[in-house]
Amino acid sequence: AQSVTQPDIHITVSEGASLELRCNYSYGATPYLFWYVQSPGQGLQLLLKYFSGDTLVQGIKGFEAEFKRSQSSFNLRKPSVHWSDAAEYFCAVKTSYDKVIFGPGTSLSVIP
Amino acid sequence: SQTIHQWPATLVQPVGSPLSLECTVEGTSNPNLYWYRQAAGRGLQLLFYSVGIGQISSEVPQNLSASRPQDRQFILSSKKLLLSDSGFYLCAWSEKTSGGTDTQYFGPGTRLTVL
Repeated sequence: AQSVTQPDIHITVSEGASLELRCNYSYGATPYLFWYVQSPGQGLQLLLKYFSGDTLVQGIKGFEAEFKRSQSSFNLRKPSVHWSDAAEYFCAVKTSYDKVIFGPGTSLSVIP
Repeated sequence: SQTIHQWPATLVQPVGSPLSLECTVEGTSNPNLYWYRQAAGRGLQLLFYSVGIGQISSEVPQNLSASRPQDRQFILSSKKLLLSDSGFYLCAWSEKTSGGTDTQYFGPGTRLTVL
């Protein structure tokens, strides 16, 4: 069965430090992959997506993600975190025309 | 550009009362529409999705129902709310593409508290 795991439930980093959020998926074919961010009490905002081509994808707000087929991973990175990046981050995989499976989310706290 | 609206933003309802949450999309036609629920501290659970007017697929058996009376309107309903229905309800839309690479875009959500 298709699934998405985000091994880290909660991560705390200092402002200005680098960030990497992990995402692993289980899917037999080439997946379509997404990262979304959710601020408290808000809807989800798309950060970036990977469908094909270059495995390093650039997104909004200075985020990037790298698709590694051999590791079934799609980790999200940012070189320098800002306090406003504190939020919940969701990795997702689209495995059929209509459906997307979301991971459980990683909560990010930023220390000033 | 496309926009998605949800209302109300927050709702407090007693157990056993009815529910109606509305979602509308502007700036696109014939979208796929989705209802998700997000319980406190948890990920997203797909409740319903629709590929067209009157076409609803249910993912999780429960006391909720969905309807799509118009192309860009998606309604989530219940006849009698349960305590377990509390949560954050998110509506999303996506375009239909031949390659199936449609990205989902989310509304601002409705916070439902059942007391």
